[in-house]
Amino acid sequence: IVMTQSPDSLAVSLGERATINCKSSQSLLYRSHNKNYLAWYQQKPGHPPKLLIYWASTRESGVPDRFSGSGSGTDFTLTISSLQAEDVAVYYCQQYYGTPPYTFGQGTKLEIK
Amino acid sequence: EVQLVESGGNLVQPGGSLRLSCAASGFTFDDYAMHWVRQAPGKGLEWVSGISWNSGSIGYADSVKGRFTITRDNAKNSLYLQMNSLRAEDTALYYCAKGITFGGVIINDAFDIWGQGTLVTVSS
Repeated sequence: IVMTQSPDSLAVSLGERATINCKSSQSLLYRSHNKNYLAWYQQKPGHPPKLLIYWASTRESGVPDRFSGSGSGTDFTLTISSLQAEDVAVYYCQQYYGTPPYTFGQGTKLEIK
Repeated sequence: EVQLVESGGNLVQPGGSLRLSCAASGFTFDDYAMHWVRQAPGKGLEWVSGISWNSGSIGYADSVKGRFTITRDNAKNSLYLQMNSLRAEDTALYYCAKGITFGGVIINDAFDIWGQGTLVTVSS
């Protein structure tokens, strides 16, 4: 499964909304569970990735509620409702559907405008 | 505190071998699947391999299949990656990561805990 993120980079003003898209080459929806096998991670320079969202829309414990995930099937979105300075990072989507490999998107670099 | 600490990274010649280790603490290790994810310098993330709680389910990326072997020792709370026939394109920071789903039966999982990584450099 190929994961394609857009855009590759994004500059947003503080307090504004940031939207990152992720498209998979096949559906990530497991119908019997009604779950999308899609996660979002945030990676800051010099640090390991941090899980933000799993099952496409479930926020990980401790993640601020300005982060939200949406979408189903092949099209997904990570939204930061009001950008903070500490949100500058690279964001990755990852599919974990079915059998390996569990692929990541190429990453989206988010900066302050 | 939940923690993963990788070790074993080093400079190795092409064709050589290396064994990475990941020491887990702060959670019940054999309740979760575990994974290796790598990141080449300045590049994105690549899932390498995953293993279920009892080693009954194992998977590899096509790029490492037949060369890398993942194992775990639940008595030692440790995860390992044996890497053989190393190539220049294996140069990366290797992260150990914990699957999020309790039970550890499946390896198709999101990763909620990550180590700081250990650097593998393959060069002559």
